[in-house]
Amino acid sequence: EVQLVESGGGLVQPGGSLRLSCAASGFTFSNRDMHWVRQATGKGLEWVSAFGSAGDTYYPGSVKGRFTISRENAKNSLFLQMNSLRAGDTAVYYCVRGGVGYDNRFFDLWGRGTLVTVSS
Amino acid sequence: QPVLTQSPSASASLGASVKLTCTLSSGHSSYAVAWHQQQPEKGPRYLMKVNSDGSHSKGDGIPDRFSGSSSGAERYLTISSLQSEDEADYYCQTWGTDIRVFGGGTKLTVL
Repeated sequence: EVQLVESGGGLVQPGGSLRLSCAASGFTFSNRDMHWVRQATGKGLEWVSAFGSAGDTYYPGSVKGRFTISRENAKNSLFLQMNSLRAGDTAVYYCVRGGVGYDNRFFDLWGRGTLVTVSS
Repeated sequence: QPVLTQSPSASASLGASVKLTCTLSSGHSSYAVAWHQQQPEKGPRYLMKVNSDGSHSKGDGIPDRFSGSSSGAERYLTISSLQSEDEADYYCQTWGTDIRVFGGGTKLTVL
């Protein structure tokens, strides 16, 4: 079955760290760009990070320098290391797959998400 | 970088059709967008990509009731024969230099 399954969410204090994982199955993971997208409760979707199939990484200004995306193709896994967490980082975090070829600019498969709560 | 604008809400009756709009910012009218559906309490699901010429390609298992089109800087998602399960939030998405961009989403209510 083609799917993405996130894990690693939980409650963390402000300033703390958390590492999210995403297990991919049912497709050739190494060929695809992979992303993290988050959604605060009652809010819209926000792109958080990208790891291209060529090894390039990208972040928006809101998380740059605090979050690090990585992947282990041999284990079909994607990770997000989150440091210096703030209350504003509280959200459901989704693992998302990029499309094929030119369509890698778009997302074509979503996980179910994992909840991260930053609170004292 | 592109900005995507969506109306916050829309409504239509059961069995009717509805057309949702996503507007690309100035200078980005040639961009394609993807549409994603998020049903209540669920993760998003990819629906389709809509190109500037109006052509579209749907994700696996997306019903024929869903279609896409374009006009200028606007990208549309049309849902026909509305069903109760179509009540959801709909997001458009595109790309910029080293970034990905979402519209604010449209909450569709099926009356």
